[in-house]
Amino acid sequence: GQNIDQPTEMTATEGAIVQINCTYQTSGFNGLFWYQQHAGEAPTFLSYNVLDGLEEKGRFSSFLSRSKGYSYLLLKELQMKDSASYLCAVRDNTNAGKSTFGDGTTLTVKP
Amino acid sequence: DGGITQSPKYLFRKEGQNVTLSCEQNLNHDAMYWYRQDPGQGLRLIYYSQIVNDFQKGDIAEGYSVSREKKESFPLTVTSAQKNPTAFYLCASSASTGYGYGYTFGSGTRLTVV
Repeated sequence: GQNIDQPTEMTATEGAIVQINCTYQTSGFNGLFWYQQHAGEAPTFLSYNVLDGLEEKGRFSSFLSRSKGYSYLLLKELQMKDSASYLCAVRDNTNAGKSTFGDGTTLTVKP
Repeated sequence: DGGITQSPKYLFRKEGQNVTLSCEQNLNHDAMYWYRQDPGQGLRLIYYSQIVNDFQKGDIAEGYSVSREKKESFPLTVTSAQKNPTAFYLCASSASTGYGYGYTFGSGTRLTVV
């Protein structure tokens, strides 16, 4: 099975940089995803890592270390609209390709 | 535009009733999934389907049933056997189980037992 840990809450200031960490233990690994979820809405896909290293997408970057079972999501130039829950999800390596989700990190951006 | 449509957005169920949540996608995706989300928690997998007429139980399938008679449709029935059904239900699909394919989610159904 999969076990995923991420901090419950984080607070940051508008314009700053914040790093949200995710650690996982898995019996099979075929990629790690980050999703953003605003309150009362469905999650939306942010990033995907399957190889070690950093993937950059505009203000958002995601890093993966498979040997350490560790990932982080880096958000730069924070905006108020970035206040949301950020979900880390690990996909297994079966044909089903299903994902196990962490409980999410609620980020509050303050002026 | 392609996407996933879930209906209804809000659903109220009396105790002892079965209710069915609709999920339809026009993305031509093979795989479809149902997740449940409780307040302050992540998503937990209920059922998933890789192809038509085939589906598998997820981590919390008890009290739920599904069907996959068409590629576009994956309805979820919450039966009276599900003792704590109040939750936010999310349907998702994926183009492939291969490299880089994340989920596309529907807008969700919020189910409340009254």
